[in-house]
Amino acid sequence: DTGVSQDPRHKITKRGQNVTFRCDPISEHNRLYWYRQTLGQGPEFLTYFQNEAQLEKSRLLSDRFSAERPKGSFSTLEIQRTEQGDSAMYLCASSLEVPTSGRIHEQYFGPGTRLTVT
Amino acid sequence: ELKVEQNPLFLSMQEGKNYTIYCNYSTTSDRLYWYRQDPGKSLESLFVLLSNGAVKQEGRLMASLDTKARLSTLHITAAVHDLSATYFCAVGSGGSNYKLTFGKGTLLTVNP
Repeated sequence: DTGVSQDPRHKITKRGQNVTFRCDPISEHNRLYWYRQTLGQGPEFLTYFQNEAQLEKSRLLSDRFSAERPKGSFSTLEIQRTEQGDSAMYLCASSLEVPTSGRIHEQYFGPGTRLTVT
Repeated sequence: ELKVEQNPLFLSMQEGKNYTIYCNYSTTSDRLYWYRQDPGKSLESLFVLLSNGAVKQEGRLMASLDTKARLSTLHITAAVHDLSATYFCAVGSGGSNYKLTFGKGTLLTVNP
């Protein structure tokens, strides 16, 4: 399977615990995005990487959230001191950006990690 | 701040009928996406619309874009049960339209 993969698919944790999610993008894709989706809503942008550089973070991403993409391949999203309001589906997406090619900058989404904070 | 509004949010229709989902957005963009999401699943890309007047069709679904009106439509022709899902439109923004802003989604239920 050459699509975007995420691990774990489901995570149940107690309030106050730290959690870490992993995303493996499509192998040749240089951009990687994190979104959060709560029940009944559309996904909301959290952050994105161009290769290993984190280029933008949403105001939704509090200090308890940190994301990395150390070698420009996989990415991790860590949430420290989880709160019940963090319960959501965390979606990762990737795309290939070649500015001069005119290629469609389509984002491909992974299956998501569903986080439940009790 | 870019806002994306979809309507209706809920749509119940009978098999064989036609209907249209509307997506309005608040600031200029030349990139509009439609995604499908089944319950508990991730997003499946349906259409990418890149220019004013763009129209794309796949099976019973047809999407169009009017950048001047900041409006996209997703038209469903002769609906079948398999089309039951939530449909999202998303608008690209940022230097390479990297950031997607999604509507709240339209939950479509097609009844026999």
